[in-house]
Amino acid sequence: QVQLQQSGPGLVKPSQTLSLTCAISGDSVSSNSAAWNWIRQSPSRGLEWLGRTYYRSNWYNDYAVSVKSRTTISPDTSKNQFSLQLNSVTPEDTAVYYCARSFHQGSFDYWGQGTLVTVSS
Amino acid sequence: DIQMTQSPSSLSASVGDRVTITCRASQSISNYLHWYQQKPGKAPKLLIYAASSLQSGVPSRFSGSGSGTDFTLTISSLQPEDFATYYCQQSYSTPRTFGQGTKLEIK
Repeated sequence: QVQLQQSGPGLVKPSQTLSLTCAISGDSVSSNSAAWNWIRQSPSRGLEWLGRTYYRSNWYNDYAVSVKSRTTISPDTSKNQFSLQLNSVTPEDTAVYYCARSFHQGSFDYWGQGTLVTVSS
Repeated sequence: DIQMTQSPSSLSASVGDRVTITCRASQSISNYLHWYQQKPGKAPKLLIYAASSLQSGVPSRFSGSGSGTDFTLTISSLQPEDFATYYCQQSYSTPRTFGQGTKLEIK
């Protein structure tokens, strides 16, 4: 059974960096079959995919254009986890952030518990 | 980006009813379409992947169909625990995109 456990602060000041981590159990961040994603949800934007990291003999990343210039998603193979860094945040980045595994044909079959991140001074 | 449009946005139904939710993609996505159920305060839960494959552990009253641009999620006989918000999502291309959701409420 795959489990994803998120950690990170729930409050970030404007212009600072949002950092979240997703610890994986029951699978490997280096899996050749899965990808590891960050998704956020807010009333104004709905469910928004932010990006992913995945291993296929080399490491690859994809990002949503809307956040690409501010976002880094990176694996940590020593701890079997992956992280999200979103720079220069504004109140519009306030949302519930989820990590999720994609597997069967790109569907998100396992999700973290969600972290409400509020951007406020 | 591929736009996903769900209809209706909300729906009132009774226990035992048969319910159908529609999702339309802005371009053909073959069968790269998945359905999720979300309850308040919880992460979305995968119900159907690849348009019609039932995720392990999901009751058989849930079914999906469609290909190309038009897809449906059907609940054959609503149970009390099915009242939730449902989302479709495409994985044909990046960025992955979701529909706006269909809120299923008790009549």
